[in-house]
Amino acid sequence: SQTIHQWPATLVQPVGSPLSLECTVEGTSNPNLYWYRQAAGRGLQLLFYSVGIGQISSEVPQNLSASRPQDRQFILSSKKLLLSDSGFYLCAWSFGPLTEGYTFGSGTRLTVV
Amino acid sequence: SQELEQSPQSLIVQEGKNLTINCTSSKTLYGLYWYKQKYGEGLIFLMMLQKGGEEKSHEKITAKLDEKKQQSSLHITASQPSHAGIYLCGADPLAGGTSYGKLTFGQGTILTVHP
Repeated sequence: SQTIHQWPATLVQPVGSPLSLECTVEGTSNPNLYWYRQAAGRGLQLLFYSVGIGQISSEVPQNLSASRPQDRQFILSSKKLLLSDSGFYLCAWSFGPLTEGYTFGSGTRLTVV
Repeated sequence: SQELEQSPQSLIVQEGKNLTINCTSSKTLYGLYWYKQKYGEGLIFLMMLQKGGEEKSHEKITAKLDEKKQQSSLHITASQPSHAGIYLCGADPLAGGTSYGKLTFGQGTILTVHP
């Protein structure tokens, strides 16, 4: 069966520090991968999506970047965090027609102080 | 771009009561997804609706998509504390699911169920 792992679960980082969040998927090949951010426990904002290795599309201009070095690995990064980067970050994957929607990771709560 | 409006934004009910959450789109919905989220956790897929007038049920939760495919409702019968959480609707903005799964989400409805 397919599983998705996301870590760390929580992170407190000072302003100006770098960031690296990792997401890996098991049990499937060539999935579509996504990074979402959720502010204040409400709606989700799509940040990046990827349809293949090295293929990254950004949905909103921001202080973050994403990379997909391997088929089932998706990384969210920042060189210098801002206070506004705080939030709940969710990784998700899908494959083929979205008959069952995404499968989400458990999320990372990032607090920038 | 497609926008999804959920109502109410929050809901507090007594255990055993029925409730309804609505999701309204500014454009035709080609795929409507309902998710549930517990605080600080990932989203759990509940149901997907595609056809106008479609209705699906899972245990005590029923979701419907109207004939015009611009509004969906999620109905919980005889609510329980385990139903508490955030309910989000998401939509595929392009026909035929060709948007690479770039779902647009509503702002969510926070449900509290008092025992």
